[in-house]
Amino acid sequence: DSGVTQTPKHLITATGQRVTLRCSPRSGDLSVYWYQQSLDQGLQFLIQYYNGEERAKGNILERFSAQQFPDLHSELNLSSLELGDSALYFCASSVDLKHSTEAFFGQGTRLTVV
Amino acid sequence: AQSVTQPDIHITVSEGASLELRCNYSYGATPYLFWYVQSPGQGLQLLLKYFSGDTLVQGIKGFEAEFKRSQSSFNLRKPSVHWSDAAEYFCALAGSYQLTFGKGTKLSVIP
Repeated sequence: DSGVTQTPKHLITATGQRVTLRCSPRSGDLSVYWYQQSLDQGLQFLIQYYNGEERAKGNILERFSAQQFPDLHSELNLSSLELGDSALYFCASSVDLKHSTEAFFGQGTRLTVV
Repeated sequence: AQSVTQPDIHITVSEGASLELRCNYSYGATPYLFWYVQSPGQGLQLLLKYFSGDTLVQGIKGFEAEFKRSQSSFNLRKPSVHWSDAAEYFCALAGSYQLTFGKGTKLSVIP
């Protein structure tokens, strides 16, 4: 158990819909990262938050957004969903701003868009 | 730009045999390198990490990796593979604010 909790584990939704994925980081970790894992793209960095502030953006679509709340949990919002958004979405957390310390990953949320 | 290459998409070994998974990186500064393992339907578990110092690092489950700056490599090894090691293995490089992952190597183990 990494200490990072993601909910839900599985999500099936229709095209055009909006979903919210939730992540609770390890106790004491201030940084939260979101990654998308798909068969064709592999593991892609989406976005990072540190202590409530957005710090880095990767290949995140404009239809996607995230935030980190005062209690440090984070949510990833995916809207106007397309079939191609079907993927495994991981959240990771680490103590500091940079990945110079290790990052711990949650079990992921498997999103299926039908 | 930083990148990680895992040349082998799929490797099959017999149980008890030795294992080496290759990883090459490209990065303009001193790299922080990691190996993660992902079992089917599971998240990513950290096997080991290299930050600095000794170039041979030990990890969990009997894995080790050797950092070779001259070859830009960080290969993962295990002297004797167990059936439970069957999984997908990812090499990763820590850049400024993100981990860059290789495409992964799927390991199959023949009993």
